[in-house]
Amino acid sequence: KNQVEQSPQSLIILEGKNCTLQCNYTVSPFSNLRWYKQDTGRGPVSLTIMTFSENTKSNGRYTATLDADTKQSSLHITASQLSDSASYICVVRAKGAGNMLTFGGGTRLMVKP
Amino acid sequence: DGGITQSPKYLFRKEGQNVTLSCEQNLNHDAMYWYRQDPGQGLRLIYYSQIVNDFQKGDIAEGYSVSREKKESFPLTVTSAQKNPTAFYLCACRGGKGNQPQHFGDGTRLSIL
Repeated sequence: KNQVEQSPQSLIILEGKNCTLQCNYTVSPFSNLRWYKQDTGRGPVSLTIMTFSENTKSNGRYTATLDADTKQSSLHITASQLSDSASYICVVRAKGAGNMLTFGGGTRLMVKP
Repeated sequence: DGGITQSPKYLFRKEGQNVTLSCEQNLNHDAMYWYRQDPGQGLRLIYYSQIVNDFQKGDIAEGYSVSREKKESFPLTVTSAQKNPTAFYLCACRGGKGNQPQHFGDGTRLSIL
């Protein structure tokens, strides 16, 4: 069964600090992995996508990594800001079968001043 | 501005009542999706449509129905057969091929009176 597990479930950090969110998946065959940011009461917004051949990709203060061998991804947030407070969702797309997505349960990040 | 709009933002359902959630997009995307989001869980697919006048059941279709009479619109009806309808409902659309992301609306929160 395709699964995506995220850790931690929730995280509190001080403004200006860095943090790393983890995502482990068992989706096969793998097509790509995407990180979404979801503000409270809003829909998810795509931050970055990782394909099989990519190890690292940055989007401003967000840096995603992918290890396709161990089926792990991480999202590193540098110099956190209050606006980073949100849920971060890891989503993996499988090849074929209608390109369906498997969603992780998310990590809820709170950045405090 | 191009986008995807869900309405209403909040909805209340009485026992035995059917309610319909609206989803409209002006991105000219062929594919549209409905998800259910419960606290601490990953998004679960209810129904999806790859093209007008065609739709498929997702993982948790029981108690729900959809229609796709127009490309822009993909309404979801939560029927009285859905015994636990309280959740946050997200609609998404996707266009093109390859690694295009799903674009999400800002959701409808459904509660039971």
